[in-house]
Amino acid sequence: GESVGLHLPTLSVQEGDNSIINCAYSNSASDYFIWYKQESGKGPQFIIDIRSNMDKRQGQRVTVLLNKTVKHLSLQIAATQPGDSAVYFCAEKVEGSARQLTFGSGTQLTVLP
Amino acid sequence: DGGITQSPKYLFRKEGQNVTLSCEQNLNHDAMYWYRQDPGQGLRLIYYSQIVNDFQKGDIAEGYSVSREKKESFPLTVTSAQKNPTAFYLCASSTRLPSYEQYFGPGTRLTVT
Repeated sequence: GESVGLHLPTLSVQEGDNSIINCAYSNSASDYFIWYKQESGKGPQFIIDIRSNMDKRQGQRVTVLLNKTVKHLSLQIAATQPGDSAVYFCAEKVEGSARQLTFGSGTQLTVLP
Repeated sequence: DGGITQSPKYLFRKEGQNVTLSCEQNLNHDAMYWYRQDPGQGLRLIYYSQIVNDFQKGDIAEGYSVSREKKESFPLTVTSAQKNPTAFYLCASSTRLPSYEQYFGPGTRLTVT
């Protein structure tokens, strides 16, 4: 079946720098994407989502970019803070799928002081 | 406050025993899901339910069972047939429109010895 994957399993950034977390997907029928943040021992929390008819969406300190040509999704976090340290998952929804979301394996973001 | 509750937070069982994990939501969501998460890995779908009295197997349903007798509740039973039950279990719910976001509970960490 189709899967969502990540380029890097871990990412370390200096506090105050920008972070970029990448995600590759393989199903061209995916029409919706979502980023989650998961802190240790907790359930994932919604960060931002984007539909396939958009290239970019911005939230508070976060931006998601979607490149459908190369099936690539990225999450940019501006001015990374210690509280941003967590595992970040991307998930996709395949058009017409009753299962809704398929999750990638995650990237561990560590913010260095 | 609206949300999803999972209980207990930590659960310990002896090998060969069945155990039931609780999941309750007061978000009035139609769909509910159970995921399993192993250390350093993503979320794998065990079972999902789109409506009361109906549920479907996910990718790793073997050794698990569910029921959906009420809209608010979606308990998961880990049976003795599950070969490696020690894991972090996450319950989620969603409404299909307008967003496909899944709302997650805090999780239950099950340890079987």
